[in-house]
Amino acid sequence: AAGVIQSPRHLIKEKRETATLKCYPIPRHDTVYWYQQGPGQDPQFLISFYEKMQSDKGSIPDRFSAQQFSDYHSELNMSSLELGDSALYFCASSLYGSGSSTDTQYFGPGTRLTVL
Amino acid sequence: AQTVTQSQPEMSVQEAETVTLSCTYDTSESDYYLFWYKQPPSRQMILVIRQEAYKQQNATENRFSVNFQKAAKSFSLKISDSQLGDAAMYFCAYRSDGGNQFYFGTGTSLTVIP
Repeated sequence: AAGVIQSPRHLIKEKRETATLKCYPIPRHDTVYWYQQGPGQDPQFLISFYEKMQSDKGSIPDRFSAQQFSDYHSELNMSSLELGDSALYFCASSLYGSGSSTDTQYFGPGTRLTVL
Repeated sequence: AQTVTQSQPEMSVQEAETVTLSCTYDTSESDYYLFWYKQPPSRQMILVIRQEAYKQQNATENRFSVNFQKAAKSFSLKISDSQLGDAAMYFCAYRSDGGNQFYFGTGTSLTVIP
């Protein structure tokens, strides 16, 4: 079965540079979520989109922005990168449906961002 | 905000034995979902099992089962016949009905001893 695809898998940037992470959800999934997992930390929710509209916002810095496109893929744009942004960034997708098993979030393999 | 607590940072189990990972959560909601995710060294987040709060029956997936105690706000994961491939970090997660984000616990690192 198709899974969530994230690209790139690894990314190395310098401080103050910008980075763009991409996420391709499972086919037919309409909701995308972004999480940040620092070393030895649990995943922290950043932001989510449903049908191309922002549906929820977590601890996403103002330097970050994200959007979901018409084909449901999503991009996380990160500017003015800081050393503390080094982390594993997960994208997850789900099919919206309150009370149904399709609300489960399925995670991609993650993008490991290293800021030097 | 909901909080999820995993009080066991590390656990170990002998191969073929059974181990139980603990998770408690704090919420004022009556409808919600609970999940266990496994994160092996590859760092992939893999769904292990899910439980709907309105269901009294505990969820089971092959060797994995949960003990869901709604009144106690407890959601433990039991792994039977442990295998070497079960070695991973296990995260308990909460999601409210109609909500979007997951709230994760801090994880339990499980070691399987051959």
